[in-house]
Amino acid sequence: EAGVTQFPSHSVIEKGQTVTLRCDPISGHDNLYWYRRVMGKEIKFLLHFVKESKQDESGMPNNRFLAERTGGTYSTLKVQPAELEDSGVYFCASSQVGGAGTEAFFGQGTRLTVV
Amino acid sequence: AQSVSQHNHHVILSEAASLELGCNYSYGGTVNLFWYVQYPGQHLQLLLKYFSGDPLVKGIKGFEAEFIKSKFSFNLRKPSVQWSDTAEYFCAVRTYKYIFGTGTRLKVLA
Repeated sequence: EAGVTQFPSHSVIEKGQTVTLRCDPISGHDNLYWYRRVMGKEIKFLLHFVKESKQDESGMPNNRFLAERTGGTYSTLKVQPAELEDSGVYFCASSQVGGAGTEAFFGQGTRLTVV
Repeated sequence: AQSVSQHNHHVILSEAASLELGCNYSYGGTVNLFWYVQYPGQHLQLLLKYFSGDPLVKGIKGFEAEFIKSKFSFNLRKPSVQWSDTAEYFCAVRTYKYIFGTGTRLKVLA
């Protein structure tokens, strides 16, 4: 069974440019989460989809970040325009619908560097 | 607000040494607690989890963790580490989303 996959694995862009990160969850997983880790700090929650609906986007830093999950399958996270402080590793995770004890599976992450 | 504290940011051990990584959380309700591990170049993997029952939880690769409700703690332990345990370890509490600690980088010297 395929796990959670993320594209690209690395991205280096200049400040002011646009970048789109993609996450393909495990098939059948309605829950999809985006997280970000800035170097040396904790992994921070960005937002949560249930199918195509945003359940919680309280962690999105500002309106330069836009997440979508059209059709309830894969998700994209667009940063436009990118700033230096957006650098970090962006993780995606998915899980089946269930209680809080349900395990979430993580992708390998996309390392974004804004220069 | 919910939060997770991991007290050790970097730990260096020799093989066969015992390991204990501290984790404390701040949350007033029923918690589900997790330890994840990230080996170099790999994705986050679940080591073990607690959501009810026996507060001593056993996970993969000989790891275990003890939930102490009165101390809001969920420390990770392993009696004898191996070089292959070199990785970064994350404690997390989950309601419907994970709240992670800052992680502990463990280096095991052969």
